[in-house]
Amino acid sequence: EDQVTQSPEALRLQEGESSSLNCSYTVSGLRGLFWYRQDPGKGPEFLFTLYSAGEEKEKERLKATLTKKESFLHITAPKPEDSATYLCAGSGGSYIPTFGRGTSLIVHP
Amino acid sequence: ETGVTQTPRHLVMGMTNKKSLKCEQHLGHNAMYWYKQSAKKPLELMFVYSLEERVENNSVPSRFSPECPNSSHLFLHLHTLQPEDSALYLCASSQDMTANDQPQHFGDGTRLSIL
Repeated sequence: EDQVTQSPEALRLQEGESSSLNCSYTVSGLRGLFWYRQDPGKGPEFLFTLYSAGEEKEKERLKATLTKKESFLHITAPKPEDSATYLCAGSGGSYIPTFGRGTSLIVHP
Repeated sequence: ETGVTQTPRHLVMGMTNKKSLKCEQHLGHNAMYWYKQSAKKPLELMFVYSLEERVENNSVPSRFSPECPNSSHLFLHLHTLQPEDSALYLCASSQDMTANDQPQHFGDGTRLSIL
């Protein structure tokens, strides 16, 4: 059975304090590792897809990386507007992605 | 209008009521999904439709009944719900169910409260 585990469950940062969110996965025949951002009262918003170990993608203050067992979402010099829940999902041979529980990020000014 | 649109955004209903949730996607996608999102839990897949044909039903109680009249519209019909069904119901679409290296695109959900 595919599994995706995210840590930490919650993270509080000061503005400008860089950190990383972790997504550990066991997904058979991984075809894509997805990161989403979800704001309160909204649906998940797609951020990145990673396809193979060693791949990296960046968008503004966010950088996602992938190894054979885990993915990291690095947040550099975060701002309060980066506060959200970040979801990770892996998709493999079963076609349907498996989601983690998410990491709730709060960035204080 | 672009993206995935869900209506209503909020719904309060009694346990004996019948209501429907609506989802519309303007992305030209062939697969549509219903998810349930509860606090502290991962997204729970409820139903998957590919080219208007249901291909996945994750043992969802019969009080939830999906309908997909065409590739752009998806409904979730609700009847005789229980308090534990209170949650955020999310609709998503993707290019094709078998193209699972492509991301899903989500609507903003319907917040459902059962009295």
